[in-house]
Amino acid sequence: RKEVEQDPGPFNVPEGATVAFNCTYSNSASQSFFWYRQDCRKEPKLLMSVYSSGNEDGRFTAQLNRASQYISLLIRDSKLSDSATYLCVVNKGGTASKLTFGTGTRLQVTL
Amino acid sequence: DAGVIQSPRHEVTEMGQEVTLRCKPISGHNSLFWYRQTMMRGLELLIYFNNNVPIDDSGMPEDRFSAKMPNASFSTLKIQPSEPRDSAVYFCASSLTGGQQPQHFGDGTRLSIL
Repeated sequence: RKEVEQDPGPFNVPEGATVAFNCTYSNSASQSFFWYRQDCRKEPKLLMSVYSSGNEDGRFTAQLNRASQYISLLIRDSKLSDSATYLCVVNKGGTASKLTFGTGTRLQVTL
Repeated sequence: DAGVIQSPRHEVTEMGQEVTLRCKPISGHNSLFWYRQTMMRGLELLIYFNNNVPIDDSGMPEDRFSAKMPNASFSTLKIQPSEPRDSAVYFCASSLTGGQQPQHFGDGTRLSIL
């Protein structure tokens, strides 16, 4: 079983739609969770951290379910500029600095 | 503020040649990570340093790969001799120490071994 699993997509959605991605992780000791965004031929960039109580940043909402070991990202009112690959990222456990990156979910927002 | 700086941005060389990739982390960050990204395998951690000391090099593919961090502001990843299967994008990232700290990536080096 992969340490971090994501649906690779692609998710093709029209502008203005709401889209959600899920990610599951295998290490129950993991304590840090992030969503990164990667544009084609660019570096991964931090989109948001994921906190236990869930958190929101504008149109983006992240949720964590420790019992089921999954993380979600919800994007409301999708924009063309949201088109990218979204990487689910989990630390190795405890305070470990090592992060494990999922292979990403590709989102394509269309007119 | 300057982000993570990598050089070169692109490298094309023939197999058997030595390749050296360079990275300058964000000032004040004391953890540095080298990753490799390919379509087939995604983003893989090769090695990481904490306070200039290699902590985990279990991701380094084989002895042809080596990494150093002589000081807090500079690291190198060397491949000698290079092989076509080493072709990939190599990213350097840095962070403050601790698993709750996000990592910030450089622009990457796109390496092609002919």
